Order: sequence, then C-alpha cells, then structure tokens
Amino acid sequence: DAKTTQPTSMDCAEGRAANLPCNHSTISGNEYVYWYRQIHSQGPQYIIHGLKNNETNEMASLIITEDRKSSTLILPHATLRDTAVYYCIADQGAQKLVFGQGTRLTINP
Amino acid sequence: EAGVVQSPRYKIIEKKQPVAFWCNPISGHNTLYWYRQNLGQGPELLIRYENEEAVDDSQLPKDRFSAERLKGVDSTLKIQPAELGDSAVYLCASSLMTSGGVRTQYFGPGTRLLVL
Repeated sequence: DAKTTQPTSMDCAEGRAANLPCNHSTISGNEYVYWYRQIHSQGPQYIIHGLKNNETNEMASLIITEDRKSSTLILPHATLRDTAVYYCIADQGAQKLVFGQGTRLTINP
Repeated sequence: EAGVVQSPRYKIIEKKQPVAFWCNPISGHNTLYWYRQNLGQGPELLIRYENEEAVDDSQLPKDRFSAERLKGVDSTLKIQPAELGDSAVYLCASSLMTSGGVRTQYFGPGTRLLVL
C-alpha cells in the first residue's frame, strides 16, 4: 500500500473551509484514497473515498490531482465538532487500512 | 441502522490476568476487523475475518492473543495473560463490499484497556 504524508496539525476558524492536504506520490493505479477522522475517545469515522475523480458527499469533498499524487479533503463550513484527527489512507480496497499519524485539525471559535 | 457495538467500553485489570472484548458488527457485514490503537498512534490491524474465517492474522501476537467468530457474526478477542504493554484501545470494525469492489469500514467506539 502506498505511503501517505500529512501535516501533523492544522488550525481553521469556525465557519471557514478546512482544506486538509495529503501526499501519496507512490500510489498505484488501483489504490483508492480514503479519508477517516477520529474524534477524541471515539472510533474512526469514514468520511469519503475516491479513485480518480473528485467526490462529494454530505460530509466533505475530495479533490484528487490529475496525476493522483496528492489530494485535498475539504470541509466546506467547519464547525467545532469537526475538531479531530484526520487520516488519509491509500488502499486497494480497504481490506487492511494502514493508518499513519494523521493531521490533528483544530477548529477555533 | 445500529452501528458496530463493542463491550465493555472500559476495562482495568492487573497484569497476568485474562481479558476478553466483544464485538457485534453491523447487520449483514461479512467482514470483521480487530485493531489496536496505542496512545497517540493510529489504529493497527490485528486480525480480519471473512465470515467465520480468519483471513489475515499476521499481526496478531498469537502467544497471548486469540480471537474467534464462531457463527460469522459476533466476535471475541481475548488476551491471556495480559501484560502492561497491552494497555491500548481495542477497536472493532466491519465492512461490506460495495459496488466496484470497494469496502468501507465502520468502526465501533472501542474498548479502552488499562493493565496495572
């Protein structure tokens, strides 16, 4: 599975868009990009995944570059409840998710 | 729809004692996973079941850890005897194959184990 690189921490103001970057320069053609988040004392929560095309759901948008070497998770209107650790994972089919350190996102009032 | 259920939520034991964790996956999910999460780290897979078969247990410390999923639904993870280093959060997840062959894993709240 491709290794992913994320910033250790980020801050964002409440109500603004939070853009979380992820580098996955060694991603293979059949690997998806998954995003999960983990709020304190809870299990990881699935957010979104994509292969080539940009994706959007009720939680977030996922923008994948054309060369697929990086992606950005966008939370369009961040709230205090979005404070969490966000994990970007590259995997063929999520049979064995390999979590890195993730990005600790803090939403400030 | 009910999510993944785990019990207990918290457990404190003395070292060398046995401990067991229980997981009930989302109804209809045939794949079940156990992860361990050490403080400040991301979860690490211990074992993956497809129905009742353990298809990936390469990261399970088999000298003291065991798991079962007898009827392909609920699962139990056991540690005997527990060591101080086993203090962690034990997470259960389940998944269903979606269209296109992609799985989405859904996690339970975890069991926080403290070994004294």
